Amino acid sequence: GQQVMQIPQYQHVQEGEDFTTYCNSSTTLSNIQWYKQRPGGHPVFLIQLVKSGEVKKQKRLTFQFGEAKKNSSLHITATQTTDVGTYFCAGPTGANNLFFGTGTRLTVIP
Amino acid sequence: DGGITQSPKYLFRKEGQNVTLSCEQNLNHDAMYWYRQDPGQGLRLIYYSQIVNDFQKGDIAEGYSVSREKKESFPLTVTSAQKNPTAFYLCASRIQGHNQPQHFGDGTRLSIL
Repeated sequence: GQQVMQIPQYQHVQEGEDFTTYCNSSTTLSNIQWYKQRPGGHPVFLIQLVKSGEVKKQKRLTFQFGEAKKNSSLHITATQTTDVGTYFCAGPTGANNLFFGTGTRLTVIP
Repeated sequence: DGGITQSPKYLFRKEGQNVTLSCEQNLNHDAMYWYRQDPGQGLRLIYYSQIVNDFQKGDIAEGYSVSREKKESFPLTVTSAQKNPTAFYLCASRIQGHNQPQHFGDGTRLSIL
């Protein structure tokens, strides 16, 4: 079945350091979405990538979709304490649902 | 997200008891979803509905039931057959169609007494 793995599972960084999480799918994806879940909160949609090799930026966040559309990454430059949370990637399934990745939990040490 | 209301926020279940989690949305979304999240884990799909009066099993439907009698409402019942119900339950909705993001409610934390 479809699998979407994320690495690392956990990441602790000093405030101001960069952070990257990687998402790898066992199948080619038509698009990929990224969500952020703050501790105790619910996932919130961040962005969607559709095109092969696409790169999108949101302030300090850079999202990339691989050329083969089977992997994606989220890079945060100069992390802040407000970046704390779990970041999930999600890809569409054949049933028009979303299959969520395992998530990367980011801790930022002030 | 604004527009999706889950209640209650916390719920306790006794052994052998069925409990129902409420999910209401005023976003006029056709599709609604229920996920289960265990501590430190990702989201696993329990049930989904893409249209009123129709719903489909997700990856972990055993021990759960749903109904979709109204577009706005998608309640989830955790039955006594679900032997390990302690988890964080998230309801989501979205506009029908590919590439649409999902909007989540604040969740319900279910625990066993």
